Amino acid sequence: ETGVTQTPRHLVMGMTNKKSLKCEQHLGHNAMYWYKQSAKKPLELMFVYNFKEQTENNSVPSRFSPECPNSSHLFLHLHTLQPEDSALYLCASSPQQGSLEETQYFGPGTRLLVL
Amino acid sequence: AQTVTQSQPEMSVQEAETVTLSCTYDTSESDYYLFWYKQPPSRQMILVIRQEAYKQQNATENRFSVNFQKAAKSFSLKISDSQLGDAAMYFCAYRSQPIIQGAQKLVFGQGTRLTINP
Repeated sequence: ETGVTQTPRHLVMGMTNKKSLKCEQHLGHNAMYWYKQSAKKPLELMFVYNFKEQTENNSVPSRFSPECPNSSHLFLHLHTLQPEDSALYLCASSPQQGSLEETQYFGPGTRLLVL
Repeated sequence: AQTVTQSQPEMSVQEAETVTLSCTYDTSESDYYLFWYKQPPSRQMILVIRQEAYKQQNATENRFSVNFQKAAKSFSLKISDSQLGDAAMYFCAYRSQPIIQGAQKLVFGQGTRLTINP
């Protein structure tokens, strides 16, 4: 248990559905991240938030829409996804983006299947 | 751009023995951080060990230690007295030295799947 929780743990959705992934951290961190983990590929950073402000969008398609209402919560809103978006989506948090002591702590992930 | 390479997709070791996982990286920076993360079947990514590039001393965390060779851009992980619970995917990751503005990313390798044979 790393102090970062994600819900749901598993999600199956059709290409026309709209769903949201939720991440919550109980560590008092100020930076939060979304990663995508596909089979046989390295983890890909998608978005970074620091003190609720988005500081990185790694050329992610607009069908993925992040939201960070406060430093403890991070959402990933999904709409009109494609089958190739099926993957494990990992959330992480760290004390503060840019700090010397920054180490990222990961949640358990949401396994997404797009049909 | 930095890249991280793990050339061993799979490794196996007998329980109680020692295994070394390889990682190389490419960077033009002089200051950076390197990490090993473990991802067991539960999918929770867990930090195993961290190394600051400016430190010559290799990091150690209980049964886990690294061999950091800065000139060779090599960062291997040694697991001593392997246990069944060590079975997992192991990811090597690189991070630039912190900067005040802008993004700071972890760049991951492809991972090595470690199997522990009883």
